[in-house]
Amino acid sequence: NAGVTQTPKFRVLKTGQSMTLLCAQDMNHEYMYWYRQDPGMGLRLIHYSVGEGTTAKGEVPDGYNVSRLKKQNFLLGLESAAPSQTSVYFCASRPGFNTEAFFGQGTRLTVV
Amino acid sequence: EDQVTQSPEALRLQEGESSSLNCSYTVSGLRGLFWYRQDPGKGPEFLFTLYSAGEEKEKERLKATLTKKESFLHITAPKPEDSATYLCAVQASGSARQLTFGSGTQLTVLP
Repeated sequence: NAGVTQTPKFRVLKTGQSMTLLCAQDMNHEYMYWYRQDPGMGLRLIHYSVGEGTTAKGEVPDGYNVSRLKKQNFLLGLESAAPSQTSVYFCASRPGFNTEAFFGQGTRLTVV
Repeated sequence: EDQVTQSPEALRLQEGESSSLNCSYTVSGLRGLFWYRQDPGKGPEFLFTLYSAGEEKEKERLKATLTKKESFLHITAPKPEDSATYLCAVQASGSARQLTFGSGTQLTVLP
């Protein structure tokens, strides 16, 4: 049972480049989330999804887009990377409302 | 707006020296409070969920408690392997699908 798997684990981008982060979960969870974690700021919600085909904005959505075409996958896209997007990105999933979230191992992204 | 504040930001303990971490919250109707442990370079790992004031949960050397304004994570006789960042998060009525996280307490237990 893999749980929540993020791809890739590390990436370096040049300013203006685009990329997609993939999150896959094998627990049949309805809710999926993308967070970013910066020193001293904790986890901040970027976008989330409450089911296949749905997405919603979180606290810091600007510069990011997401898609949930299949229940098990949640993609995070950066169309034109900026140095301010240098961060560690975490994907999480949970079965439903008021349940614990399960996290992936993180993607460390550096934008130069 | 839901707010979660954790203190202290960092805590250094000697092995065996018990202490408590604090998580204070301001939310529009608390539905659940979650504690996580995060090791360097890894994703947060779930520890406890507390749903109502007065509730307590224990796991090995950790005990979590909840009041109407804050939660405490008590660490009894800690060991070096308890060193990690401890995060708390809240589920509020007004944000039914989201968890709001605090910035964490970085705990170091010295041998």
